[in-house]
Amino acid sequence: QVQLVESGGGVVQPGRSLRLSCAASGFSFSSYDIHWVRQAPGKGLEWVAFIYYDGSKKDYADSVKGRFTISRDNSKNTLYLQMNSLRAEDTAVYYCARIRTAVTESDYFDYWGQGTLVTVSS
Amino acid sequence: DIQMTQSPASLSAAVGDRVTIACRASQTISTYLNWYQQKPGQAPKLLIYAVSTLQSGVPSRFSGSGSGTDFTLTISSLQPEDFATYFCQQSYSTPYTFGQGAKLEIK
Repeated sequence: QVQLVESGGGVVQPGRSLRLSCAASGFSFSSYDIHWVRQAPGKGLEWVAFIYYDGSKKDYADSVKGRFTISRDNSKNTLYLQMNSLRAEDTAVYYCARIRTAVTESDYFDYWGQGTLVTVSS
Repeated sequence: DIQMTQSPASLSAAVGDRVTIACRASQTISTYLNWYQQKPGQAPKLLIYAVSTLQSGVPSRFSGSGSGTDFTLTISSLQPEDFATYFCQQSYSTPYTFGQGAKLEIK
């Protein structure tokens, strides 16, 4: 079955870095675009970044552009999110999510990981 | 960025009730609209994509409708396991934005 398992979260001081990982199994990882979505405690969902199936295209939310880098290693079935210059407002549960495209060309997140909590605090 | 606004933000209903949650986009998004359910401590779960297509395994009491800027999620007869928070999301253009959520509580 499709599984996405995030890891790498924890408590980090403002201005420091952290790298999240998302290990995929149960499907052909190299065939799918994958996204990161985050959720601050008690808040709604915020899209963070995506990467094409082959890594050829990436995009970021304005709130993380220039600080976060998404990447993937298809030989290891793993997605990454390198987070630099972390701020208190980056505190959130970070989810990786697989994207599918409907026949109508509408994209949707069909599988999500369980999330990993990042807390930015001094 | 496309803003997604859900209403109401919270609602109380009883088992067996029919419930409707609205979602409005700040510009037309055609049929690029999805709905997710989230329970406390869990990841979001896809319910409906492309406005009205039920994800595999989702009960038929869930339905979606709308086009352009106005969309609705309807639960025809609430079951105990449906009490959760519901999010709409547009995939018309990045950033893929979500509504703020509608929390459905037991009356």
